[in-house]
Amino acid sequence: SQTIHQWPATLVQPVGSPLSLECTVEGTSNPNLYWYRQAAGRGLQLLFYSVGIGQISSEVPQNLSASRPQDRQFILSYKKLLLSDSGFYLCAWSVMTEAFFGQGTRLTVV
Amino acid sequence: DQQVKQNSPSLSVQEGRISILNCDYTNSMFDYFLWYKKYPAEGPTFLISISSIKDKNEDGRFTVFLNKSAKHLSLHIVPSQPGDSAVYFCAASTRGGADGLTFGKGTHLIIQP
Repeated sequence: SQTIHQWPATLVQPVGSPLSLECTVEGTSNPNLYWYRQAAGRGLQLLFYSVGIGQISSEVPQNLSASRPQDRQFILSYKKLLLSDSGFYLCAWSVMTEAFFGQGTRLTVV
Repeated sequence: DQQVKQNSPSLSVQEGRISILNCDYTNSMFDYFLWYKKYPAEGPTFLISISSIKDKNEDGRFTVFLNKSAKHLSLHIVPSQPGDSAVYFCAASTRGGADGLTFGKGTHLIIQP
């Protein structure tokens, strides 16, 4: 069966520090991968999606980037965190008519 | 510009009754709609979906209705159970599947005993 791993579950980071969140998928090949963010009082917002290794599409102009170094690995990176980057980050993968989410990372920037 | 709107931030329903969660959309190119349920500090879990060629899809206690002319869909939960208390997200796609979903802000459903 397919599973998606996302870590860490919670993170507290100072303003201005860099950050990387990692997501890996098992049990499938060449999945479409996504990073979403849920900020307080807002819905889930698509940040990046990838249809293959090295292929990244950005949905929002932000101080962050994403990379897909391997087929089943998707990384979200910040160079310098802002207070407004606090939120709940979700990795997801999709096939046909379903999307599956990781457990999420709660990021608090202080 | 919010393309998928869930205008009720919260909804309180008595256990055993029907819960109806509503969702409106503005993009007429959306052709696939999904509902997700989310508990605090967890990722959303898929509940039910519907293609734009249908107007109803049913799965156990969950039924989704789609009114394309009104650009409106709703999720019915019958009967409501305490475990249904969660945030429900409506999502839509223009690609016929679950690619690049656009989500609403969610509705917090509270089932009262």
